[in-house]
Amino acid sequence: GDSVTQMEGPVTLSEEAFLTINCTYTATGYPSLFWYVQYPGEGLQLLLKATKADDKGSNKGFEATYRKETTSFHLEKGSVQVSDSAVYFCALRGGNKLVFGAGTILRVKS
Amino acid sequence: EAGVTQFPSHSVIEKGQTVTLRCDPISGHDNLYWYRRVMGKEIKFLLHFVKESKQDESGMPNNRFLAERTGGTYSTLKVQPAELEDSGVYFCASSQDPPTRGTQYFGPGTRLTVT
Repeated sequence: GDSVTQMEGPVTLSEEAFLTINCTYTATGYPSLFWYVQYPGEGLQLLLKATKADDKGSNKGFEATYRKETTSFHLEKGSVQVSDSAVYFCALRGGNKLVFGAGTILRVKS
Repeated sequence: EAGVTQFPSHSVIEKGQTVTLRCDPISGHDNLYWYRRVMGKEIKFLLHFVKESKQDESGMPNNRFLAERTGGTYSTLKVQPAELEDSGVYFCASSQDPPTRGTQYFGPGTRLTVT
């Protein structure tokens, strides 16, 4: 069945560092791909998405490119801030439901 | 516009007891979903409603779990009797468009602890 694998955390970075969170997937066909973020005490929020190969999703300085050759959707940000500290979830749309990875905790120190 | 709300935010119960979780979707959203995250692992799909009808309940773990959506508005998820392995965070989501293309909007989750 469909599955998503993302890098284990926690990832700890200093403010203004470059961020990469790896995400790979296994699925039939070419599903839409998503990154969701959960800030402390809040619900899951859609961060960005890509619906077809080579699409780049972007939001709030975060980017991810849909790579069908490597079945990947890595999340990147050039300069993280303390306010980016959260749990990040990679997901794909499999039929009528979302299939999530295990989540990666990001901690940004000032 | 109010987002998806869930109640309670946290529930602690003893094994064998019953707990009911509630989800209020965004007004006008016909599609409502329940997901669960156990022990810091993946968030897993439980079921999907369209209005008051269950479209897909393939993710429900067993018959101790009962979901309802009376009148196609809010939904409840009852666990009876609760077991230790039911501990986790239960998320509700809703969408206006069909699940094959709509964005799902999530609530803050209910953290369930079974002792």
